[in-house]
Amino acid sequence: GQNIDQPTEMTATEGAIVQINCTYQTSGFNGLFWYQQHAGEAPTFLSYNVLDGLEEKGRFSSFLSRSKGYSYLLLKELQMKDSASYLCAVRDGNYQLIWGAGTKLIIKP
Amino acid sequence: DTAVSQTPKYLVTQMGNDKSIKCEQNLGHDTMYWYKQDSKKFLKIMFSYNNKELIINETVPNRFSPKSPDKAHLNLHINSLELGDSAVYFCASSQTSTSGGADTQYFGPGTRLTVL
Repeated sequence: GQNIDQPTEMTATEGAIVQINCTYQTSGFNGLFWYQQHAGEAPTFLSYNVLDGLEEKGRFSSFLSRSKGYSYLLLKELQMKDSASYLCAVRDGNYQLIWGAGTKLIIKP
Repeated sequence: DTAVSQTPKYLVTQMGNDKSIKCEQNLGHDTMYWYKQDSKKFLKIMFSYNNKELIINETVPNRFSPKSPDKAHLNLHINSLELGDSAVYFCASSQTSTSGGADTQYFGPGTRLTVL
């Protein structure tokens, strides 16, 4: 079967750095996405990785290792507004998007 | 301007009723989707549809049916609602990339369905 694993919940302090990991096992691979979802709102796109390495976008960076089936989302200089769920999704060999359950990130002052 | 819109935002109804949720996108995308997000926050794809192909998740009961009057709309019709249908339903759209790009999905605000 296909599955995406992420930690259920993480806690971090305002101003700090946090890394959210995602491991996946899919039939084929055509890209990995990270989405942010605030409570009661829709998911919004954060980043996309299809080749190995680090993609940086402001305070957020996403890393991919296809050989390890592994990605992480790195959030720097955490702000209270970063409190949200972070969803990892992998596009499989059939171009279907497989979603993880999301990691709820709690930011404390 | 809202890119992907859904109506209604909240829907409370009785078991056994039939209801529809409407979705419209003004992004000019060629593919639209319906997702169900349950209380455990799993996003489950229900349907994806473009003007060529409807892909149905085989786990979706046939009480659920997508209806697309045109490229910009994909409505979700649900017959004989059950308690377990209570969830948030998200519509999304994307543009198929011919160069291996991201095909990023853009989500509507969601419809919270409560079946009593």
